[in-house]
Amino acid sequence: LAKTTQPISMDSYEGQEVNITCSHNNIATNDYITWYQQFPSQGPRFIIQGYKTKVTNEVASLFIPADRKSSTLSLPRVSLSDTAVYYCLVGDPLGTGFQKLVFGTGTRLLVSP
Amino acid sequence: SAVISQKPSRDICQRGTSLTIQCQVDSQVTMMFWYRQQPGQSLTLIATANQGSEATYESGFVIDKFPISRPNLTFSTLTVSNMSPEDSSIYLCSVGSGRANNEQFFGPGTRLTVL
Repeated sequence: LAKTTQPISMDSYEGQEVNITCSHNNIATNDYITWYQQFPSQGPRFIIQGYKTKVTNEVASLFIPADRKSSTLSLPRVSLSDTAVYYCLVGDPLGTGFQKLVFGTGTRLLVSP
Repeated sequence: SAVISQKPSRDICQRGTSLTIQCQVDSQVTMMFWYRQQPGQSLTLIATANQGSEATYESGFVIDKFPISRPNLTFSTLTVSNMSPEDSSIYLCSVGSGRANNEQFFGPGTRLTVL
């Protein structure tokens, strides 16, 4: 599984757009990029997954450049409730190894009023 | 999505004792996973539990310390044996969604403090 690197922490204010970038220089051809969100005292929750270009759902957008060596999770107009730790994971979702999720350090996002 | 419950939600235990954590899923699943999350840290996979077979442990975790049971497709237990303060962590179970994106659903966790 490819190693990922994320900023340890980020600060933002309500209503702003937050972009969290993850580096994964050794990403393999079959690997997808997946993001999880973890609120305090809860287990992680799947946010979004993508392979290339852009993926958008009701929660976030995921931007992946052509070389796929990095990705950016974009949270539009954050609120206080978006304060959480965000984990970037890379792996082949159809590969047996990916079922054993390998969490990196994550990015601790703090949203202030 | 799968709904997962864990018992107990938290416990405070004495050194040298053992604690069994239960994980219940509202649907039948093939694979269940147990993770540990130490204070302020990321999650680390302890083992994978398949129904009807022995659990598969990750490097650094052994069956004598973390015995796991998987009696059916909706239930699993993790026992933390002969506890020491270093075992103080949050223990979480998870299950796969069965979807192509391999999304996993996590339980709320069990917060263990060992004195």
